Amino acid sequence: NAGVTQTPKFQVLKTGQSMTLQCAQDMNHNSMYWYRQDPGMGLRLIYYSASEGTTDKGEVPNGYNVSRLNKREFSLRLESAAPSQTSVYFCASSESTTGTATNEKLFFGSGTQLSVL
Amino acid sequence: GQQLNQSPQSMFIQEGEDVSMNCTSSSIFNTWLWYKQDPGEGPVLLIALYKAGELTSNGRLTAQFGITRKDSFLNISASIPSDVGIYFCAGLSSNTGKLIFGQGTTLQVKP
Repeated sequence: NAGVTQTPKFQVLKTGQSMTLQCAQDMNHNSMYWYRQDPGMGLRLIYYSASEGTTDKGEVPNGYNVSRLNKREFSLRLESAAPSQTSVYFCASSESTTGTATNEKLFFGSGTQLSVL
Repeated sequence: GQQLNQSPQSMFIQEGEDVSMNCTSSSIFNTWLWYKQDPGEGPVLLIALYKAGELTSNGRLTAQFGITRKDSFLNISASIPSDVGIYFCAGLSSNTGKLIFGQGTTLQVKP
């Protein structure tokens, strides 16, 4: 059971470089999410997609773009990386469809540790 | 914006001891979730709570949904070394429908 798969596991970028973080889930979940985790700040939502073809901003969307390629895949792109984007990034998915309870019972990937120099 | 205050920030305990941690807020939540994150991995759901006053157990873990709907507690009994990790609370806001995470409690267990 793969669950939520993220790639790459580690990445080092120079300021200004671009990259895309890939995420795929095999649980037939409707909703997918991208979070960043920083020390002492818990998990903060960057973007989410409540269904295929839709995306919405979370708490900290600036500097990021996302694509819900299909029901399985949700990618996160940094167009011009900045040192402030050094963080651990987690992709997650849930069964929730569009509606009030959009974010419960999340299943997380194992994370991408990104350093921007 | 809405915030969850999770405490303590970190704990260093002896194997066999019981552990308590909590999350509080000034806002009301409809759902409380407790996650554990092992080193180098993503968070994994431990317990979900849906009603005020609800008390739910998962093995040595017990969590409660506060009566005021503004807080939740997690207890771990008879801790073992594999309990090491970061524990996160998360609340589903009744106002916004968004899930908000606490800052995490880092638990270390000395054998």
